[in-house]
Amino acid sequence: AQKITQTQPGMFVQEKEAVTLDCTYDTSDQSYGLFWYKQPSSGEMIFLIYQGSYDEQNATEGRYSLNFQKARKSANLVISASQLGDSAMYFCAMREGGDDKIIFGKGTRLHILP
Amino acid sequence: NAGVTQTPKFRVLKTGQSMTLLCAQDMNHEYMYWYRQDPGMGLRLIHYSVGEGTTAKGEVPDGYNVSRLKKQNFLLGLESAAPSQTSVYFCASSFLTSADEQYFGPGTRLTVT
Repeated sequence: AQKITQTQPGMFVQEKEAVTLDCTYDTSDQSYGLFWYKQPSSGEMIFLIYQGSYDEQNATEGRYSLNFQKARKSANLVISASQLGDSAMYFCAMREGGDDKIIFGKGTRLHILP
Repeated sequence: NAGVTQTPKFRVLKTGQSMTLLCAQDMNHEYMYWYRQDPGMGLRLIHYSVGEGTTAKGEVPDGYNVSRLKKQNFLLGLESAAPSQTSVYFCASSFLTSADEQYFGPGTRLTVT
């Protein structure tokens, strides 16, 4: 079974609109961490945001926020007021408690339309 | 402070040839990782290391070997390249705690013909 599932292979969003990228995860651990990375067309991987399983509040970093719903095992990335530069591939990832590895989802390609 | 660097950036190999990809980090990170990225597959972990002199297998280790003789370097070797190993390879490093994000290198695009 996949540990990280990103169900939207591609999305098109109008500039300045908010966008939600879905991520569900599968773990039996109580302690884990969730990450989102951005990969623009240039290829580099850029860390965006982190959410710990014990964090009581949803993580926010500028225009990025993480909608963490623990009971649903969901960690959706919300980008407010999207910009053309947000066009990229977005990856959700998880590190389970006590594990040294970070497992990535297959990604969602986001296209921002002018 | 260069962060994570990868050498080379591009390489074309013939089937059966061998090569080594070098990853170097100057952030004193304990953990280092090698991933491959293929279209529609996301990033898949090949091997990783939790410290100098240690290595462990990831999801897709077959056909690859690694070594971590120095803390700052993590080498990925292909002993006998196959076309299925055509991919973009990323190295990453991180600190010890589970909350720490990974810092990625720029990637190496490898083509095996």
